Formats: sequence, C-alpha cells, structure tokens
Amino acid sequence: AQSVTQLGSHVSVSEGALVLLRCNYSSSVPPYLFWYVQYPNQGLQLLLKYTSAATLVKGINGFEAEFKKSETSFHLTKPSAHMSDAAEYFCAVSEGGSSASKIIFGSGTRLSIRP
Amino acid sequence: EAQVTQNPRYLITVTGKKLTVTCSQNMNHEYMSWYRQDPGLGLRQIYYSMNVEVTDKGDVPEGYKVSRKEKRNFPLILESPSPNQTSLYFCASSLRDGAGHEKLFFGSGTQLSVL
Repeated sequence: AQSVTQLGSHVSVSEGALVLLRCNYSSSVPPYLFWYVQYPNQGLQLLLKYTSAATLVKGINGFEAEFKKSETSFHLTKPSAHMSDAAEYFCAVSEGGSSASKIIFGSGTRLSIRP
Repeated sequence: EAQVTQNPRYLITVTGKKLTVTCSQNMNHEYMSWYRQDPGLGLRQIYYSMNVEVTDKGDVPEGYKVSRKEKRNFPLILESPSPNQTSLYFCASSLRDGAGHEKLFFGSGTQLSVL
C-alpha cells in the first residue's frame, strides 16, 4: 500500500532564504511522485512530477525536488523564497502504469514567508 | 479553456437533506476523482472513476455516492448528509496513458456545511 508522510505541518522562512519541505513515501512498486501547491481559496496546482526519468525534477516557480530511493524521500526545495510562495504544499504518490488508480496525498505543509 | 467546474462553490444544508455536488471537465479525461480536505488531514480520496460506468471507492467512501454516466460529468451525491461531512470538497480529473497518471486538474472546491 502506498502512503505519504510530510514532516512539519507548518514551515516559516525569511524572504530570500532556502525553502525545504520534506516528503517521505512508501510504495511497493516504483512510484510516481508529485508536489502540488494550493493558494488560498483555490484548488491545487501541479508544481512538479517524478516519473522515473531524471531523479532531480525541476518545476514551476523555481521549485525542484530530488527523488532519493535509498531514503524513500522526495523533498521540495527552492533556493530563495519569495513572498508569493506562501501557500500550502502537498506531496502525493501514485503507482505508475496503465493500471494506476489512487493518488494518495500527504497531510500538507503550510509555508509562511517572513519579510 | 481547459478546466474542471464544480458547483456550487458554497453550500449550507441540514442533516438528512439529500444534496448533489456537480463536477464537469472539458478535457476528455478518463480519470476523475473526488477528495475532501480537512485541517491536518490533507486530501482524502472519496471515490474515483477510471472511465464511463467504472467507479471505485477511495479511502473515505462512507456516506457518499457517485455516478459516471458520461465522460465529462462526475457528480458527488450525499443521500443523507451528517455534520461530520462538513468539509471542503474537490473534484479532479487527469489524463492517463500507458505510463500512468498525468497531472491532476482540480476544480475550485465546494465548501459544504451540514448543520
């Protein structure tokens, strides 16, 4: 069974500082991994996706994530935080292949940016 | 414009009064899904559909029904709503191919309050 754990329900960083949001997954088959962002009063939008190609995945708005199989992790980073990055971030996992059905989400991490 | 449309955006109802939340997508996606979002719990999948007339339970299906008579529509039905179904609901759809899920497109959400 698949599962996703996001460490830290709330992360606060200063503007210009490194952003690191942690995600660990559990999957019995090679996973597809996703990061989604949710801005206030909106639905979720895809930031980036890992599908077994390159282990370092670049997404929109300067975010990237690295797939580490040995650590079962897929942490999200951004070198320099911007005020507009304040949002809730969700890590998600699904199985690859045509039979893929469920997409399991983590509990989310709220990112706050201090001026 | 590619989009997932949910209606209504806000709904207040009373215990036991049947309601339907509609969801429609214009992208010819095979996969559609319903989630509920609750503080500290992230998104939990209620039901999903792999194609027309093919639906299956997610992680929290109790008290909900769905139907998929047409590819574009995937309504969520609460036959007898209860206060524990007060939540923010999201519909989502995605394109699936032999390699698995493409990204999920989310609706704007339906905030449901059951009194």
